[in-house]
Amino acid sequence: EAGVAQSPRYKIIEKRQSVAFWCNPISGHATLYWYQQILGQGPKLLIQFQNNGVVDDSQLPKDRFSAERLKGVDSTLKIQPAKLEDSAVYLCASSWGGPSYEQYFGPGTRLTVT
Amino acid sequence: AQTVTQSQPEMSVQEAETVTLSCTYDTSESDYYLFWYKQPPSRQMILVIRQEAYKQQNATENRFSVNFQKAAKSFSLKISDSQLGDAAMYFCAYRSTNTGNQFYFGTGTSLTVIP
Repeated sequence: EAGVAQSPRYKIIEKRQSVAFWCNPISGHATLYWYQQILGQGPKLLIQFQNNGVVDDSQLPKDRFSAERLKGVDSTLKIQPAKLEDSAVYLCASSWGGPSYEQYFGPGTRLTVT
Repeated sequence: AQTVTQSQPEMSVQEAETVTLSCTYDTSESDYYLFWYKQPPSRQMILVIRQEAYKQQNATENRFSVNFQKAAKSFSLKISDSQLGDAAMYFCAYRSTNTGNQFYFGTGTSLTVIP
């Protein structure tokens, strides 16, 4: 089966600019996650979708970050405006709906904000 | 919220030797799942091994095994016959069975394999 796809793989922007990331999960996976991984740290959950509804977005900086998952499949994560501290790898993952299922991760998008 | 602690930021092991990575977690739940993920340099994260909390038997996957101590809330990963390809960041993760089934990750352990 095809894995989790993410694009772009790399992005460099200046602070105060906007950026958007795209994720296509594994077919049939109901749950989709966006994580922020700062260098040397573990992934931090930004938002979790179950189908096209939000399950958890408690750590999403809603003043600048937004995410949507239309039709319960693809998802986009947007940052507007970006700050220097947003430099990180943004990981998308998906899984089947139940708790016993592991997550499958995409390759990530490395964002550098200058 | 659940917390996952990996107290070893870095570990090293001689090729063909055995190494154990530590993980502890804090939870009030009785039913949950634990995972070890591997993240090679500049490559995507992949699952190494999974443990169901209701199972007393420790999970094993080829050279990888866990020591799951539920009462102590400990979940260590043992890598036997270490290979150069095992060099990576290893993350311990906890998955809740409550609404949302959230994942919680530790801060990771960087494993170096010495030839």
